[in-house]
Amino acid sequence: DTAVSQTPKYLVTQMGNDKSIKCEQNLGHDTMYWYKQDSKKFLKIMFSYNNKELIINETVPNRFSPKSPDKAHLNLHINSLELGDSAVYFCASSQDPSVKEQFFGPGTRLTVL
Amino acid sequence: AQSVTQPDIHITVSEGASLELRCNYSYGATPYLFWYVQSPGQGLQLLLKYFSGDTLVQGIKGFEAEFKRSQSSFNLRKPSVHWSDAAEYFCAVVGSGNTGKLIFGQGTTLQVKP
Repeated sequence: DTAVSQTPKYLVTQMGNDKSIKCEQNLGHDTMYWYKQDSKKFLKIMFSYNNKELIINETVPNRFSPKSPDKAHLNLHINSLELGDSAVYFCASSQDPSVKEQFFGPGTRLTVL
Repeated sequence: AQSVTQPDIHITVSEGASLELRCNYSYGATPYLFWYVQSPGQGLQLLLKYFSGDTLVQGIKGFEAEFKRSQSSFNLRKPSVHWSDAAEYFCAVVGSGNTGKLIFGQGTTLQVKP
């Protein structure tokens, strides 16, 4: 059983396009996160939702918009894609913000041409 | 601000040799610390964590780590490395505020020689 899943695993697109990455967790967790891993493998938090409410919004261009239709899903929509958006995006979840252990999805490798 | 430093970007060890990956953190209060492993093309898997109590923590795959407050360190160790341990290793600390945000180090790439 996959705990945290992401689709698609790979995404190749042209500059200027709009794309979405989906994340689902079947752990019954309340909190979900998006992290970005750049070409140097550095991981940085982007967003976090707790019970469908935004609790972390790091300095991220407003072209990036997370959407949480329910506690089990946190999708990432990116408008007007740029070359610099190429990265691996990881979704994660935890029981709640005070429970520190996070479970990560397999990642989505986004390539912008 | 909290930060995590992994001084070694790349480490190569022979199979069967011992391993120590260094991690230093900057945090005012008692930190919550983690080591994650990322195999090529894979997601992040939790190896072990330290919240409180015994400063020597055991993890999966034969790894252990020791929390040393005086040195602000949380180094990862394994007595005998296997070829399958070749991967990227990340140390992380939970940031302040009750958001659960993880702050990662730059990662250490482990290469294992046969």
